[in-house]
Amino acid sequence: KAGVTQTPRYLIKTRGQQVTLSCSPISGHRSVSWYQQTPGQGLQFLFEYFSETQRNKGNFPGRFSGRQFSNSRSEMNVSTLELGDSALYLCASRGEGAPGNTIYFGEGSWLTVV
Amino acid sequence: AQKITQTQPGMFVQEKEAVTLDCTYDTSDQSYGLFWYKQPSSGEMIFLIYQGSYDEQNATEGRYSLNFQKARKSANLVISASQLGDSAMYFCAMREGRGSGYSTLTFGKGTMLLVSP
Repeated sequence: KAGVTQTPRYLIKTRGQQVTLSCSPISGHRSVSWYQQTPGQGLQFLFEYFSETQRNKGNFPGRFSGRQFSNSRSEMNVSTLELGDSALYLCASRGEGAPGNTIYFGEGSWLTVV
Repeated sequence: AQKITQTQPGMFVQEKEAVTLDCTYDTSDQSYGLFWYKQPSSGEMIFLIYQGSYDEQNATEGRYSLNFQKARKSANLVISASQLGDSAMYFCAMREGRGSGYSTLTFGKGTMLLVSP
């Protein structure tokens, strides 16, 4: 069974540009959430989607947005990139009825803004 | 106030020894879940173990066990017989509330574990 797949793994962008990150959850999982990890702030929740609906949103500016498609794949977009957006972006998926409703993460997308 | 507190920034242990990583949590929910993840330098967050608030027995997964003390709001991870490959950052996380589709986790700051030969 394939795990959570995130693309791209590494990318470098310039300030002011925008970026789109993609996440394919484990087959059958309908819940996808996104997290930002930086050395200073640690792991912070961005958003959570379930069956194409945003269920929860973290405390991030409107430049951060996301969506989920009917096949449960999710994308997040960051517009007008700032240096402080450099981070590891992690996607997680959760399945119904899994033991403890376990939440599994992908390998992450490393974003560097220069 | 922090919802997840990991008081040990770093831990050192020798191979084959057991180690306990501390985690305390704060929630007013009756239903919640506690997770431990391992993050090697590659960045991937690897699920280790889960404990539900209503689970009466401590969770175990191979060499990992979770020492769950509900009254004290602690969920310590115990790794038995440490291996060199256990060297990584370890995060404790909590999911609050019950319901389909809810997978928002709050993370602690992590504990860096180094296992020496």
